Amino acid sequence: GAVVSQHPSWVICKSGTSVKIECRSLDFQATTMFWYRQFPKQSLMLMATSNEGSKATYEQGVEKDKFLINHASLTLSTLTVTSAHPEDSSFYICSARDPRTGRNQPQHFGDGTRLSIL
Amino acid sequence: GESVGLHLPTLSVQEGDNSIINCAYSNSASDYFIWYKQESGKGPQFIIDIRSNMDKRQGQRVTVLLNKTVKHLSLQIAATQPGDSAVYFCAEANMEYGNKLVFGAGTILRVKS
Repeated sequence: GAVVSQHPSWVICKSGTSVKIECRSLDFQATTMFWYRQFPKQSLMLMATSNEGSKATYEQGVEKDKFLINHASLTLSTLTVTSAHPEDSSFYICSARDPRTGRNQPQHFGDGTRLSIL
Repeated sequence: GESVGLHLPTLSVQEGDNSIINCAYSNSASDYFIWYKQESGKGPQFIIDIRSNMDKRQGQRVTVLLNKTVKHLSLQIAATQPGDSAVYFCAEANMEYGNKLVFGAGTILRVKS
């Protein structure tokens, strides 16, 4: 089945550091990928839709200059948290839908990246 | 039993019993619904989905029921096993609007052996 991979799985870094998270579709090409954020004991909140070859679409309240998204190829989207601060600590998860399976098919999720800012 | 408040609601069941997890969705225009299972430290894993032109769909040990009149979705797990312990999320989408998912609050399922 469709597989989505994220890297790294866990990052701990100092405040002010920029952190890049990668999301790859391993056995299919994804023109669209999605980035979510999940705080402890809460649900997933969509941050942005990553579109291959064009600008990402951000959800209301998500700072596009803070969370830079690049979708330069059909199998890779990256999320960069710029100048990260402790309040950015969270679980970041990406997803993609295999376009070969038709429109009404589920998104497949990566295993997430736990970001801890000290 | 269930508990609601500052934490995710929790459903505790005995191994072998059936579990029913409920979800109220928000958008009457949503036409596609999915249940995901999330284990600690992992991403959501697809369980079962249903389109709005159906009111019931069955999988292996799982059944999803959709009541569009009251915007309610449920997941039934038969013969619940310890490996079913996880957080369960429903998600809704309108397929005309780019496959964006909106997740429900989630329910913790604890299976007692």
